[in-house]
Order: sequence, then structure tokens, then C-alpha cells
Amino acid sequence: GAVVSQHPSWVICKSGTSVKIECRSLDFQATTMFWYRQFPKQSLMLMATSNEGSKATYEQGVEKDKFLINHASLTLSTLTVTSAHPEDSSFYICSAGSGVRSGRGEQFFGPGTRLTVL
Amino acid sequence: AQSVSQHNHHVILSEAASLELGCNYSYGGTVNLFWYVQYPGQHLQLLLKYFSGDPLVKGIKGFEAEFIKSKFSFNLRKPSVQWSDTAEYFCAVNPNSGAGSYQLTFGKGTKLSVIP
Repeated sequence: GAVVSQHPSWVICKSGTSVKIECRSLDFQATTMFWYRQFPKQSLMLMATSNEGSKATYEQGVEKDKFLINHASLTLSTLTVTSAHPEDSSFYICSAGSGVRSGRGEQFFGPGTRLTVL
Repeated sequence: AQSVSQHNHHVILSEAASLELGCNYSYGGTVNLFWYVQYPGQHLQLLLKYFSGDPLVKGIKGFEAEFIKSKFSFNLRKPSVQWSDTAEYFCAVNPNSGAGSYQLTFGKGTKLSVIP
């Protein structure tokens, strides 16, 4: 159990376009979802935390108008990279936690989305 | 803010060698501790976790970790590594500050390469 999927797994887009990444918890309800960014050979950097039905909480330095997060249901969160630029190219990973599990920090990770902006 | 340090960026071992990966954190309160593994081309998977109780925790695939509170450490060990253990290993900390404490702080990761 506790499977998290992401779609698409990779995307290439032109500079200036917007890209939407979906994160789904397949077999449990995720009250909290997290979005991370992973640079090559570096750790996961938390971008934002989203709770179902409320606005996302962004980490310092993350532009909320550029990285739009919507957590409309207990099984789906989306990250939209607006007006993407080459410096936004990265590996984006989502994770999800249930109301019980994530209260102890246990998160279940999606496979990630590789974004390349030309 | 809390931070997590993983001392080794890249570890290279021969099969059957013993493994110990260091992890130290800075946080004064109670913490929940995790080790995640990321195999090549795959997503992060939980290896083991510590919430409370016995400080020596056992995880999947023969891994174990020991929480030493006085040293703020949570080192990962395996007595005999296999080629299939080649992966990147991340230590993560969650401050156990009560209900609603969800966030994880990750270390920078340690890449393990096992030579057959």
C-alpha cells in the first residue's frame, strides 16, 4: 500500500510556457502533500506543503506565483510551473502523508518528474 | 532551523564489506528519524524509521540504524553489502513537536557504489 504516482514522468517545454505536474495517492487519502525539488547530486529541497482544501505553505525563497500548488482532493495535488525558464529545469518530487502517518513525518514519495525547459 | 549532515558524499565498497553511513542532526527537541533509499532510476523508498523505544531499529533488506541521542546521530549500518545495494541513501529528520508536525529535513545524501 501507500503508492504515490506522478504524471508526467518527464516533460520538455519551451521557455515561457506553463507545465502542470500531477501527484496522486493511489491507495490512501493524503491530507498533506509535499513538493520537493532535487538538483543533480544534491538533496531534496522542500518547496511547499499543501493540505487538502487550503492554501499551500511555501518555503522561504520559493515563488508562490511561479509554482502554483493546488490540493483539491485527498488524492490529488498539482504543481504548475508558470512561465517556465531554463533555470526551472529540475527533478520535481511529490510526497504524501495520511493524517495518522504524516503526523510522525512518514511520507510516501512519487517517482518524480524530470522537467527540461529549453 | 534543524539541519541534517551526512558525512560521506560517495562510498565505494566491495561486496560483502560492512557498511556504516553517518547521519547527524541539529535539533534540540524530540525527533523522528528516517533513512530513505533511492535506487538508480527509482523513487525514494523508506528503509527504516525511528519514532521511540529501542534505539536500534531494523529495516528492510538487512539494514539497521542506531539512534544515539547524546550524539544527535542516526547511523545506518549493514554487515554485508550486496551489489544491489548500490543506491543513494538519504537521512531525514522530523521534529516531533506534536500533532501536525509533518515536515522532513533531508541530508544531502550518500551515494553508495558496491563493486561486485
